[in-house]
Amino acid sequence: GAVVSQHPSWVICKSGTSVKIECRSLDFQATTMFWYRQFPKQSLMLMATSNEGSKATYEQGVEKDKFLINHASLTLSTLTVTSAHPEDSSFYICSARQGAPYEQYFGPGTRLTVT
Amino acid sequence: AQTVTQSQPEMSVQEAETVTLSCTYDTSESNYYLFWYKQPPSRQMILVIRQEAYKQQNATENRFSVNFQKAAKSFSLKISDSQLGDTAMYFCAFMKHVKGGSEKLVFGKGTKLTVNP
Repeated sequence: GAVVSQHPSWVICKSGTSVKIECRSLDFQATTMFWYRQFPKQSLMLMATSNEGSKATYEQGVEKDKFLINHASLTLSTLTVTSAHPEDSSFYICSARQGAPYEQYFGPGTRLTVT
Repeated sequence: AQTVTQSQPEMSVQEAETVTLSCTYDTSESNYYLFWYKQPPSRQMILVIRQEAYKQQNATENRFSVNFQKAAKSFSLKISDSQLGDTAMYFCAFMKHVKGGSEKLVFGKGTKLTVNP
């Protein structure tokens, strides 16, 4: 149990276009989902916290107009990178909370390459 | 703000031997959780072990155990009988206990562990 999926696993897009990444909790309902960014050989940095039916809470320094997060249902959160630029190329990971605060389950990640 | 420090960027160990990964953290909170996550080359984050700060007993999960020193704010991970599949990045993480709030995981920079045959 407690499986989180992400789609796509790898995406290449041209500079200036937008790309959407989906995060789904497959066998549980997640009231809270988290989005992280990981640069090569670096740690995970929390970008935002997403609660179902409400606006996401962004970490300091994260552009909310660039990284649009929608948590439309208890099993789906989406991250849209708008007007992507090469510096947005990174590995994006989501996690979903099941039950207790410490029960966070991670998706397999999405590699975004902006050309 | 909480910080997590992993002072060993890279470590290596021979198969079947024991290795200890270090982690220290800084917080003024009294109630919190500590975690070790493993990130293999697939990049899937996998929970290795969790420790609750109010529990004095060190957590263990099969070959993985921790040495939790609350006063020293130290949380090391010991891997016994190392296996090739243990080769991965290991991240130490901290989470403040927040009732009904948006709890956050704060990660250290990671330790790259290589298990040699």
